[in-house]
Amino acid sequence: AQKVTQAQTEISVVEKEDVTLDCVYETRDTTYYLFWYKQPPSGELVFLIRRNSFDEQNEISGRYSWNFQKSTSSFNFTITASQVVDSAVYFCALSEADTGGFKTIFGAGTRLFVKA
Amino acid sequence: GAGVSQSPSNKVTEKGKDVELRCDPISGHTALYWYRQSLGQGLEFLIYFQGNSAPDKSGLPSDRFSAERTGGSVSTLTIQRTQQEDSAVYLCASSDQPSEQYFGPGTRLTVT
Repeated sequence: AQKVTQAQTEISVVEKEDVTLDCVYETRDTTYYLFWYKQPPSGELVFLIRRNSFDEQNEISGRYSWNFQKSTSSFNFTITASQVVDSAVYFCALSEADTGGFKTIFGAGTRLFVKA
Repeated sequence: GAGVSQSPSNKVTEKGKDVELRCDPISGHTALYWYRQSLGQGLEFLIYFQGNSAPDKSGLPSDRFSAERTGGSVSTLTIQRTQQEDSAVYLCASSDQPSEQYFGPGTRLTVT
């Protein structure tokens, strides 16, 4: 069964601090996809990144970086030099290839507050 | 181009009434998803449609919930005999493949 755990309910940082959001997943499938989405205060979810299980390369996009480690079933998200605009709820998600890759299970989300 | 749209944006209904929530996906997207987000909570998967395949209804919480997708495009989520615990934001998303999903703004349902 699919499961995504985001143990951090809320994180509060001061602007310019680095912050890491943790995501641990469970799956029995060998082929799966991992995602991060951002939900700003306006409410509409925005896609940030997708990773498939065959690609363990870490990725960097501007101030955002992602660390995928199959050995620990983790897909952590780091924001470097955080900004107030990064304040949002961030969701990690998982879909499995044996369900066609479509059924997506989301974690409970981590609410990030970035204070000026 | 147009994104995912949902209507109504807000719906207040009395306990026991039926409601219909509508989702217009991005044109050409073969997959359509419904989720429920209760206040301050994560996203709960309800159902997804993919092409002509039978929908995956495994997330529907009870038989009061049903959904259909007509012509491979617009989808309607129906909740019969609404209960107060059905109050939540109902989110629709669409995708072209098992990739990133594009979300609509949601319908906030309040059952009084």
